[in-house]
Amino acid sequence: DQQVKQNSPSLSVQEGRISILNCDYTNSMFDYFLWYKKYPAEGPTFLISISSIKDKNEDGRFTVFLNKSAKHLSLHIVPSQPGDSAVYFCAASGGGGSNYKLTFGKGTLLTVNP
Amino acid sequence: GAGVSQSPSNKVTEKGKDVELRCDPISGHTALYWYRQSLGQGLEFLIYFQGNSAPDKSGLPSDRFSAERTGGSVSTLTIQRTQQEDSAVYLCASSPARIVWPYEQYFGPGTRLTVT
Repeated sequence: DQQVKQNSPSLSVQEGRISILNCDYTNSMFDYFLWYKKYPAEGPTFLISISSIKDKNEDGRFTVFLNKSAKHLSLHIVPSQPGDSAVYFCAASGGGGSNYKLTFGKGTLLTVNP
Repeated sequence: GAGVSQSPSNKVTEKGKDVELRCDPISGHTALYWYRQSLGQGLEFLIYFQGNSAPDKSGLPSDRFSAERTGGSVSTLTIQRTQQEDSAVYLCASSPARIVWPYEQYFGPGTRLTVT
């Protein structure tokens, strides 16, 4: 029973174009969402987050959009750079007493071609 | 400063053997987590330690799995009588004392366990 789904295992874009990574969730108790980036042989690193009270959060080239009614969020990277090539994980937290417990999607491998 | 470190980076073991995986969290971080990532899967929560509180072991898949955290710092994840389905990358993460938004966890590079 996957509560966080990343339905695209991979995505390939050209340098300078927009990358859009999608994530869907099923648990309505989730109220905080995070994106992590992972390079090979390294641990995931935090990228950007959003609370359910917002619908958008922006940090430089990275923007996360949240559509609560659709239980959908997306990560936009503009412009994409070759160094952005990595696996991106969407994660969700349930808030309350177990807000430390993150539920992750399977990840999307982004390849940015020069 | 130093990040989260894990050892060994790779471990190959025979089915039925016990293994110990080690995690050194970031200095000063009181919260420590273990996750595992099986092939083609997302990260799966295993266990959470916070200071002197009782750990949340709700993610441990069987009683063959156990974890300790000594002195509020280093943690060891032990898998007894390993099975082939235990093959995965085991990731450790830590975070500061207060669990505040955005609940960022700092991950180590992981230990790749292969059970033959």
